[in-house]
Amino acid sequence: ETGVTQSPTHLIKTRGQQVTLRCSSQSGHNTVSWYQQALGQGPQFIFQYYREEENGRGNFPPRFSGLQFPNYSSELNVNALELDDSALYLCASSPIQGARTGELFFGEGSRLTVL
Amino acid sequence: AQSVAQPEDQVNVAEGNPLTVKCTYSVSGNPYLFWYVQYPNRGLQFLLKYITGDNLVKGSYGFEAEFNKSQTSFHLKKPSALVSDSALYFCAVRDAAAGNKLTFGGGTRVLVKP
Repeated sequence: ETGVTQSPTHLIKTRGQQVTLRCSSQSGHNTVSWYQQALGQGPQFIFQYYREEENGRGNFPPRFSGLQFPNYSSELNVNALELDDSALYLCASSPIQGARTGELFFGEGSRLTVL
Repeated sequence: AQSVAQPEDQVNVAEGNPLTVKCTYSVSGNPYLFWYVQYPNRGLQFLLKYITGDNLVKGSYGFEAEFNKSQTSFHLKKPSALVSDSALYFCAVRDAAAGNKLTFGGGTRVLVKP
């Protein structure tokens, strides 16, 4: 069974640039959610995708956007990067029937540094 | 709105002693409660969950947690801590009426000394 994989693991960008982070969900999981974990803080919910559509969003501006593909993999795009976007971005997958009551399976994250 | 509080930034315990990590929550509906652990430079690993039923929940690696509705608490416990339990622990809650959003606490760093 393949777990959740994320790429890249580390990247450095400058203010104003755009970034795309990628996530492959665990085998058999059709729901993907993204979280932002700033240094020293708990993860914060960005959004969730199911059947290629966003079906839940946290308090993040529109410059945070995403996609889910037919194979259930996902991308997180952030435009016009700001210094405060520096964080560990975590992808998590789950089967839809467990999306509310079941645990999420997390990848190891993509650490973004914005200079 | 749902929220989670972990009142201790760090918990220090000697190996072999009991370990407790505190968590309180606030939701408008029925809570679904979770504990996750994070090792350095790693993602989050699921430990246990409370959905309904028995207030004492047993999870991975010998951890357990007790759901207390009157105190709105969900403390994580382990009877005998190991040095390898040293990590960052997160409590999380999902309000059954609030969709798919999982809200995490700020985390508690556990340091188990030999």
